[in-house]
Amino acid sequence: QVQLVESGGGVVQPGRSLRLSCAASGFTFSTYGMHWVRQAPGKGLEWVAVISYDGSNKYYADSVKGRFTISRDDSKNTLYLQMNSLRAEDTAVYYCAKDSNYDMMMDVWGQGTTVTVSS
Amino acid sequence: SYELTQPPSVSVSPGQTARITCSGDALPKKYGYWYQQKSGQAPVLVIYEDSKRPSGIPERFSGSSSGTMATLTISGAQVEDEADYYCYSTDSIGNHGVFGGGTKLTVL
Repeated sequence: QVQLVESGGGVVQPGRSLRLSCAASGFTFSTYGMHWVRQAPGKGLEWVAVISYDGSNKYYADSVKGRFTISRDDSKNTLYLQMNSLRAEDTAVYYCAKDSNYDMMMDVWGQGTTVTVSS
Repeated sequence: SYELTQPPSVSVSPGQTARITCSGDALPKKYGYWYQQKSGQAPVLVIYEDSKRPSGIPERFSGSSSGTMATLTISGAQVEDEADYYCYSTDSIGNHGVFGGGTKLTVL
């Protein structure tokens, strides 16, 4: 079955960096776009970024543009989110999600990894 | 930036019909999607392309869209339907995702 498993979360000081990973299985990873979505404590969902199936197109929310980078390694069936210059407001559960390859729809989600930015 | 607007909360008694709305300027041209998120769990897609239901989603869940408003309807809501519901769509260009603020559905 399709499965997404996030890792790499933790506690980090403001201004530092962190890289999240999302291991995919149960589908042909290299043929699907992938998203990152986050949810701050007690708040709603926020779309963060998307990468196309071939990595040629990447789009970001204004709140993270210039600080976060989405990437993928199809040889490892893994999605990444490099997060630099972290701020307290980046504290959230980060989910990866598989794109349906139509209309930016996310059809399968991982269980999330928690990032806490605090001194 | 583009926004989708939902009511913060909706409350119904078991067996009643719950309706959750989502408004957005691009909805006449862009599909709306609905995700259900129960406490401590990842979101689950319950409606796609305005009104289609993924396999495994109960028939009591339905969706519609008219003009700038998309609506999720739960006919005969059950206690297990208590959750946060998020509408989702894209901006007019179609390369940025947007979620509504979420609606907490209470069934009691």
